[in-house]
Amino acid sequence: EIVMTQSPATLSVSPGERATLSCRASQSVNSNLAWYQQKPGQAPRLLIYGASTRATGIPARFSGSGSGTEFTLTISSLQSEDFGVYYCQLYTNWPLFGPGTKVDIK
Amino acid sequence: QITLKESGPTLVKPTQTLTLTCTFSGFSLSTSGVGVGWIRQPPGKALEWLALIYWDDDKSYSPSLKSRFTITKDTSKNQVVLTMTNMDSVDTATYYCARKRITVVRGAKVYYFDYWGQGTLVTVSS
Repeated sequence: EIVMTQSPATLSVSPGERATLSCRASQSVNSNLAWYQQKPGQAPRLLIYGASTRATGIPARFSGSGSGTEFTLTISSLQSEDFGVYYCQLYTNWPLFGPGTKVDIK
Repeated sequence: QITLKESGPTLVKPTQTLTLTCTFSGFSLSTSGVGVGWIRQPPGKALEWLALIYWDDDKSYSPSLKSRFTITKDTSKNQVVLTMTNMDSVDTATYYCARKRITVVRGAKVYYFDYWGQGTLVTVSS
């Protein structure tokens, strides 16, 4: 059974700063990883798929990297609208979501 | 424009069966590669995938909850229905439906949910 972890659990960032979020899988998923952003009271929004491909309409400040078991989501210059919870999701035989990283205002 | 919307009861009693309907527009569930899934989120907790149904009527379920679920589709109505039996208080959550896509990235298939419904909160309580 694959286990996913995300770190840190909470990331406090000032607007304009860089944010780096990590997602790890206990076994290789190649590039089958997606990232989602969720704001309070809203549905998740797809940011990245295939580990590094931005979804339609996602700003260039969001970038994804990694393959195998370790993945990173980077927000190059955090904007006020970027605060929320970020989930990674892998796919092997079925989808599996990570526990999430909350990005809040420092 | 692609939209999905969940509907169903907001309150169910323990041991009852929950039936949720996802009504979508802007795409067809008869298109090769397309699927619709259900994901839930207990208050303050993470997302949990529940079930998927594909254009060819193939289905998959979360292994830990499989025995309680049935997912079906009505392509003519653009609807996907999830049925959960023997509801318990731990099933209290916001339930989302989402479109699942398959795309080839650098020569490999990748799978993700690109459009989501707004979610519907289901409370299980007597």
